[in-house]
Amino acid sequence: DTGVSQDPRHKITKRGQNVTFRCDPISEHNRLYWYRQTLGQGPEFLTYFQNEAQLEKSRLLSDRFSAERPKGSFSTLEIQRTEQGDSAMYLCASSSLTSGAQETQYFGPGTRLLVL
Amino acid sequence: QQQVKQSPQSLIVQKGGISIINCAYENTAFDYFPWYQQFPGKGPALLIAIRPDVSEKKEGRFTISFNKSAKQFSLHIMDSQPGDSATYFCAATPTGNQFYFGTGTSLTVIP
Repeated sequence: DTGVSQDPRHKITKRGQNVTFRCDPISEHNRLYWYRQTLGQGPEFLTYFQNEAQLEKSRLLSDRFSAERPKGSFSTLEIQRTEQGDSAMYLCASSSLTSGAQETQYFGPGTRLLVL
Repeated sequence: QQQVKQSPQSLIVQKGGISIINCAYENTAFDYFPWYQQFPGKGPALLIAIRPDVSEKKEGRFTISFNKSAKQFSLHIMDSQPGDSATYFCAATPTGNQFYFGTGTSLTVIP
């Protein structure tokens, strides 16, 4: 399977704990995006990387959230001191943006987080 | 502020009927408009996309109609099937930037 993969698929944690999610993009893709999706809503942009550089962060991304893409391949999203409001599906998408081409984002299956 | 407004929130269609989902935007910098299909527990999957230099794009039973002057675009699903039952999201982006998604339409196709 050469699609976007995410791990874990489900995570249940207690309020105040830290959690980390991993995303493995399609191998030749240079862009990687993190989104958050709550029930009945569309994905909301959190942040994105081009190679290892984090180019943009949403205002939704509080200082409890941090994302890394150390070698321009996989990425991690960490949430510190989780709150019940962090419960959501966290989606990763990757794309290959080349000059003159149209970017298409391919999504992973998501990590569903439940904070008790 | 919702950058892309999508309607209806839910839609019920008989098998063989036409499903129509509408989206509107304000940002004239948007130049790529994809539609995604999402099944429960899965990530969104690209269905079809259009650029504003064309008014219509068709792929199989799926058609996007685009009205640049009205800043509206819609998805038409012809001959709707029960397997099309899913949530559909429109999105828009200025090329090379983040995607803005609509709030989704839950489609149910009744056999």
